[in-house]
Amino acid sequence: NAGVTQTPKFRILKIGQSMTLQCAQDMNHNYMYWYRQDPGMGLKLIYYSVGAGITDKGEVPNGYNVSRSTTEDFPLRLELAAPSQTSVYFCASRGAEGGSPLHFGNGTRLTVT
Amino acid sequence: GQNIDQPTEMTATEGAIVQINCTYQTSGFNGLFWYQQHAGEAPTFLSYNVLDGLEEKGRFSSFLSRSKGYSYLLLKELQMKDSASYLCAVIDSNYQLIWGAGTKLIIKP
Repeated sequence: NAGVTQTPKFRILKIGQSMTLQCAQDMNHNYMYWYRQDPGMGLKLIYYSVGAGITDKGEVPNGYNVSRSTTEDFPLRLELAAPSQTSVYFCASRGAEGGSPLHFGNGTRLTVT
Repeated sequence: GQNIDQPTEMTATEGAIVQINCTYQTSGFNGLFWYQQHAGEAPTFLSYNVLDGLEEKGRFSSFLSRSKGYSYLLLKELQMKDSASYLCAVIDSNYQLIWGAGTKLIIKP
């Protein structure tokens, strides 16, 4: 099993550009999450999904969009990139059982200049 | 509001024991996770507690007291590779994960 796969690993965007961060999991997990982590800080939830066709905002959703058309994929879209979106982005998934831990992807390091 | 408190940074010596505390105030409780995160890497799962008491996994143990809203991660026989950040996360009554900011552990030889 590959687990949670994120692409790309690194990206530099100019202000105003758009991009999609890809996330795929092969564990048949219902729950998927997008977090951002700024240097020296904790994880902040951007969006999450409890299953295909269902998405919800986290604590920092502005400037981002998501979709969940399949169980496996949960892409994160950045529209009109801003320097404040420079961060490391982690995708994660977990099963439906209460004690099921989050499995994280390796992260995408995004710089907006 | 919901809140998880952890010390920002701790320093310990190779071979010693260190205890990292986590206190939480959340709307409900459905379990607590500890994760390890090395610099530049993704968090990795260490432990899960949902009942009071101590869970032991090799050199790492995690303790939970639900009545006190308190958990700790105990690391024994510290190795240099244990230098990392340790994240505490609580599952609240809506089954949402609430994350602490993490504790950076520095191991000195």
